[in-house]
Amino acid sequence: GAGVSQSPRYKVAKRGQDVALRCDPISGHVSLFWYQQALGQGPEFLTYFQNEAQLDKSGLPSDRFFAERPEGSVSTLKIQRTQQEDSAVYLCASSMGRGRDGYTFGSGTRLTVV
Amino acid sequence: AQSVTQLDSHVSVSEGTPVLLRCNYSSSYSPSLFWYVQHPNKGLQLLLKYTSAATLVKGINGFEAEFKKSETSFHLTKPSAHMSDAAEYFCVVSRNSGNTPLVFGKGTRLSVIA
Repeated sequence: GAGVSQSPRYKVAKRGQDVALRCDPISGHVSLFWYQQALGQGPEFLTYFQNEAQLDKSGLPSDRFFAERPEGSVSTLKIQRTQQEDSAVYLCASSMGRGRDGYTFGSGTRLTVV
Repeated sequence: AQSVTQLDSHVSVSEGTPVLLRCNYSSSYSPSLFWYVQHPNKGLQLLLKYTSAATLVKGINGFEAEFKKSETSFHLTKPSAHMSDAAEYFCVVSRNSGNTPLVFGKGTRLSVIA
């Protein structure tokens, strides 16, 4: 596709519910990142994939967060037993190769836990 | 370890006057530096990047930034502000090798007054 696509655009979840957020990177982009952006803050790193391999998951805030990219293209970020502090915009970014050339970001999924 | 400090959380300028958004960085490695812009309910857009080539970097929409190693700064400037420049701006650092996570500043909100 022309850009990084994320769905859903908005998600409201009841506390304790599981959610799944989808990211479609630009075709051919090897690297894929997930970021979490709380209200009024800059994005914070969650996890990184190179093709299907998850090379860094040091930013995941708890074991309730899980990400996968089984075929090296589409990625899913799953949050189990959502809590109010999980409310944020979740951003996906992809790049062709070396990250120093910059990343293309999707518009994000705004998750609200009530 | 890497970090960025955006020295102003909010900057307000009149249309047609210069813009200066300040950023200082800290990096144990040779850094790559970026400025991203985020308009309301839109994705992050790359304005410009520094990756160890020319220290004065020109970006889109008339923005530019100068890498000053001695001052560990990467300030963003524009000679003449336009109403459409009103947005949130993020200074970002990453390691200048391989695919490493971007580390974002907290952002500077730019307001442009008619």
